[in-house]
Amino acid sequence: AQSVAQPEDQVNVAEGNPLTVKCTYSVSGNPYLFWYVQYPNRGLQFLLKYITGDNLVKGSYGFEAEFNKSQTSFHLKKPSALVSDSALYFCAFPVGAGKSTFGDGTTLTVKP
Amino acid sequence: GAVVSQHPSRVICKSGTSVKIECRSLDFQATTMFWYRQFPKQSLMLMATSNEGSKATYEQGVEKDKFLINHASLTLSTLTVTSAHPEDSSFYICSAQGGLSYEQYFGPGTRLTVT
Repeated sequence: AQSVAQPEDQVNVAEGNPLTVKCTYSVSGNPYLFWYVQYPNRGLQFLLKYITGDNLVKGSYGFEAEFNKSQTSFHLKKPSALVSDSALYFCAFPVGAGKSTFGDGTTLTVKP
Repeated sequence: GAVVSQHPSRVICKSGTSVKIECRSLDFQATTMFWYRQFPKQSLMLMATSNEGSKATYEQGVEKDKFLINHASLTLSTLTVTSAHPEDSSFYICSAQGGLSYEQYFGPGTRLTVT
């Protein structure tokens, strides 16, 4: 079955350090991949997407993600983390009929 | 970007009563809206797909008679939790898909607590 996986439930980084939130995919063909962020008691906000073209995708709030076909990964990155980046992050891909499948989520905590 | 609102943001109700949650697309027409349920620190579970002017499509295991969905217009979908029980307490999130984009626009969520 097609899916995305987020192997880490929790990622902790110090403010100012680079951060990576991992996502791997098992999707046939050329996948469309998304990253969303969720702040406490809020809905999801779109960060970025990979459809086609450049493997490095830049998104909102200074985030970027690299599509790596050989490693079937789409890791989310930011060069310098902020405390305000602390949130729950979801990797997702569309499965047709407008639906999306989400990873289990990774809680990012950035400590000052 | 596109804006989706939900109302109410929080609701507390007594066991056995019904609760209606509204989802509106404010600046675009959404022929399809989705309803999700989310438990604390867990992923989103798709409950149903709501299509304007037709019956909703429910995911396996979701009781259609308990979670009534109505999509009466291109900008409004409602989810009614009927005869609510404490185990229905959860965070309910709607989303709308705009046009040909695969991107979904999410509402801010509704925290339902059934006492």
